Amino acid sequence: AQRVTQPEKLLSVFKGAPVELKCNYSYSGSPELFWYVQYSRQRLQLLLRHISRESIKGFTADLNKGETSFHLKKPFAQEEDSAMYYCALGKTQGGSEKLVFGKGTKLTVNP
Amino acid sequence: DAGITQSPRYKITETGRQVTLMCHQTWSHSYMFWYRQDLGHGLRLIYYSAAADITDKGEVPDGYVVSRSKTENFPLTLESATRSQTSVYFCASSDWDSWNEQFFGPGTRLTVL
Repeated sequence: AQRVTQPEKLLSVFKGAPVELKCNYSYSGSPELFWYVQYSRQRLQLLLRHISRESIKGFTADLNKGETSFHLKKPFAQEEDSAMYYCALGKTQGGSEKLVFGKGTKLTVNP
Repeated sequence: DAGITQSPRYKITETGRQVTLMCHQTWSHSYMFWYRQDLGHGLRLIYYSAAADITDKGEVPDGYVVSRSKTENFPLTLESATRSQTSVYFCASSDWDSWNEQFFGPGTRLTVL
């Protein structure tokens, strides 16, 4: 079964410290992985996707097929990074397209 | 992001009542989705639609009904609301060639008493 695991419900770091939000997935096919973010009082929005290999707001995420992971990293956290982060797995099953989300990690960056 | 809107934003209803949550998008996106967000469960897909008149079940469809007579609208109906359906409901849409880049509405907070 396709599954996304985010082991940390809550993560708290200090401003300027490195941050890593963990995401592991289970999928038998070729996965498409994403990170979505929800800032306070804002809509859920796409942060980045693995195929583009981009850095958004200083965040990067590398797909590691061997470890089935897609951890989100930022070398120096900022207070405005405080938000709810969801890892998502894109899959095609029987011709239908669905995103499977993890349960989310709430990141708090303290001053 | 006025392209996708949800109404109402807040709703309180009673057990057994029928409730319809509205979702409207102005991008002519092919795909539309309904999720519920609950503490400890994250986002779970209720129903989705690949195009007008095409809908399919997600992970937690029981107790919900959807329709998509027009591309821009995707209403979600709770036929007989239960307390377990108290949640925040998000609608999302995406285009046919980038279906996994989903654009989310602001959400509807539903309380069933």
